[in-house]
Amino acid sequence: KQEVTQIPAALSVPEGENLVLNCSFTDSAIYNLQWFRQDPGKGLTSLLLIQSSQREQTSGRLNASLDKSSGRSTLYIAASQPGDSATYLCAVGESANYGGSQGNLIFGKGTKLSVKP
Amino acid sequence: EPEVTQTPSHQVTQMGQEVILRCVPISNHLYFYWYRQILGQKVEFLVSFYNNEISEKSEIFDDQFSVERPDGSNFTLKIRSTKLEDSAMYFCASSAGRRAGELFFGEGSRLTVL
Repeated sequence: KQEVTQIPAALSVPEGENLVLNCSFTDSAIYNLQWFRQDPGKGLTSLLLIQSSQREQTSGRLNASLDKSSGRSTLYIAASQPGDSATYLCAVGESANYGGSQGNLIFGKGTKLSVKP
Repeated sequence: EPEVTQTPSHQVTQMGQEVILRCVPISNHLYFYWYRQILGQKVEFLVSFYNNEISEKSEIFDDQFSVERPDGSNFTLKIRSTKLEDSAMYFCASSAGRRAGELFFGEGSRLTVL
C-alpha cells in the first residue's frame, strides 16, 4: 500500500531564506506527483504537477523535483516571503489506477511552513 | 480564472440526518472527485466520477455515500445517515482529462455532525 511521508512536519524560517520541503513515497510505480498549498481552513491550491516521466517542474520561485527510483520529491522555495506561510501537501497518483480517472491521489500529511518577517 | 465552487461552506447536522454537499466543477472538466480531511489528518480519496458513473471508490465510500451529477453543472455528494465520524472537511475536485492529472480543488465544505 502506497504511503506518502513529508518531512519536516513543521518549519519556521526567516523571510528571504531558501528552503526545501521533502516528500517520500514507498511505491515508485506512480503516475504523477502534485504539490499543493493549503491555507488554514481553506481548500487545496495546486502548485506544481510532475508527470512520472519528468524530473522537475518550475513555477516562479517554486521548483519541484522528482526521483521516482528513490521514491522522493522535493519542493524548493526561493527567497521565502511571509505570504508563503501555509501547509504544503505532496500527493502521488498511482499508476495502478490506469484505465480509471487517475484521480486517486495519496496525500502526505503536509509540512506546515511559517515564514517570519 | 476558472474555479471549483462548493456549497455550503459549513453545515451542522444531527447524527442520523441526510446531508447533501454540492459542487460546481470547472466547466470544461470531465472528471470529478470527492475527498475528505478529518481535522488533523491526511486528505483522503473518496470517489471519482466520469461519464455519469463512478470510476473508482475507496473503502471509506460505503453504502451510506452516493454521488450524482443531476444536471450539466452540479456534482453532489450525499451522506444518507450521518455519523459522528463523518465530521470532516469535504473537498470536491475536477480534472480536464484522464491523463491530464492535475486536480483542481474547491474551498471545501465543513461538515459537523452532532
